[in-house]
Amino acid sequence: KAGVTQTPRYLIKTRGQQVTLSCSPISGHRSVSWYQQTPGQGLQFLFEYFSETQRNKGNFPGRFSGRQFSNSRSEMNVSTLELGDSALYLCASSLGGESNQPQHFGDGTRLSIL
Amino acid sequence: GQNIDQPTEMTATEGAIVQINCTYQTSGFNGLFWYQQHAGEAPTFLSYNVLDGLEEKGRFSSFLSRSKGYSYLLLKELQMKDSASYLCAVRLYNQGGKLIFGQGTELSVKP
Repeated sequence: KAGVTQTPRYLIKTRGQQVTLSCSPISGHRSVSWYQQTPGQGLQFLFEYFSETQRNKGNFPGRFSGRQFSNSRSEMNVSTLELGDSALYLCASSLGGESNQPQHFGDGTRLSIL
Repeated sequence: GQNIDQPTEMTATEGAIVQINCTYQTSGFNGLFWYQQHAGEAPTFLSYNVLDGLEEKGRFSSFLSRSKGYSYLLLKELQMKDSASYLCAVRLYNQGGKLIFGQGTELSVKP
């Protein structure tokens, strides 16, 4: 069974640009969550999508947005990039619902802002 | 607010036992997860506790006390490959799949 796939693995952008990251969940998983990981802040929740609807949102500015498609694949967009957006962006999928099913993480996209 | 605390670093010897603690102060607790993350890799799921007590899975065990807001991960017969960051994460009621993570504990296993 294929795991969570994130593309691209590495990305270099400059301040002011925008970026789109992609996540393909494990087959059958309907929930996709996005996290930002930095050395100083650890893993911080960005948002969760379930059945194409945003179910939950973390405390990030509106420059961070996402969406989910009917096949459960998800994209995350960051506009007007800032130096502080340099981080590892992790996507995690799960079956969904209030269950004990763990989230399974992809290898992440490492975003560097110059 | 929600708060999860773990020690930043720990060191242990190959073959030994190590206990990594996690304390949390959250509202609407609905389960606690432990993940392992090797440098440059994705976090991988280790264990889940929602009721008080000990869950055992091979060399790894996890304990939860909801009344104390406390959990620990116990690693036995340590191997060099266990050197990694260990992340404690809490799920809350009515928050879907959202997980709140601690900062992680960097474990170094020495020969």
